[in-house]
Amino acid sequence: DIQMTQSPSSVSASIGDRVTITCRASQGISSWLAWYQQKPGKAPKLLIYNAVTLQRGVPSRFSGAGSGTDFTLTISSLQPEDFATYYCQQAHTFPITFGQGTRLEIK
Amino acid sequence: QVQLVQSGAEVKKPGTSVRVSCKTSGYSFTDYSIHWVRQAPGQGLEWMGGVNPSGGGTYIAQRFQGRVTMTRDTSTSSVYVELSSLRSEDTAVYFCARVLTSSRLDAWGQGSLVIVSS
Repeated sequence: DIQMTQSPSSVSASIGDRVTITCRASQGISSWLAWYQQKPGKAPKLLIYNAVTLQRGVPSRFSGAGSGTDFTLTISSLQPEDFATYYCQQAHTFPITFGQGTRLEIK
Repeated sequence: QVQLVQSGAEVKKPGTSVRVSCKTSGYSFTDYSIHWVRQAPGQGLEWMGGVNPSGGGTYIAQRFQGRVTMTRDTSTSSVYVELSSLRSEDTAVYFCARVLTSSRLDAWGQGSLVIVSS
């Protein structure tokens, strides 16, 4: 199975800050990576797929980068509604696997 | 609009089985696979497998093989997951999700809580 490792596990930031979350795959996955946002008690929400493509309706302050084994999710200017947990997911090989999550908290 | 509506919460005893349903609407049911993902309390997301509504073919994660069955009913545009030999570690919220190209999960059900307790 492909292991997905996110860092950091949690991060504290303020409104307006720029935040970057990293995801590393245990083997190359080309650009087969998606990012999700999850708020407490809710289902995950797709933000980015194919590593860099913004899902329709997602604000442009979210962006993705990377290929191969190293990927990033960047939020350019944090808004109050962005405080949540973020997961990466590899879509290269079954079984699909997720990172362990990064909790984004208000400083 | 695309909707996935799941069945309600269940409380089950260890050793028994549970079936969770996922009724879809707003798109052509046979065009996209439906996958199942679970989340134990306070934990991350765990992919369980998926079903192709067109032919009924399934792919089940190895750790669930022998214990999980995934089926679909094209007449009601619904997908089902059944988990047998329940143990306390199966306590989780179970989500269904539609899968588009690139294996991205673009629409999710609201989740179904399954509690396994004696």
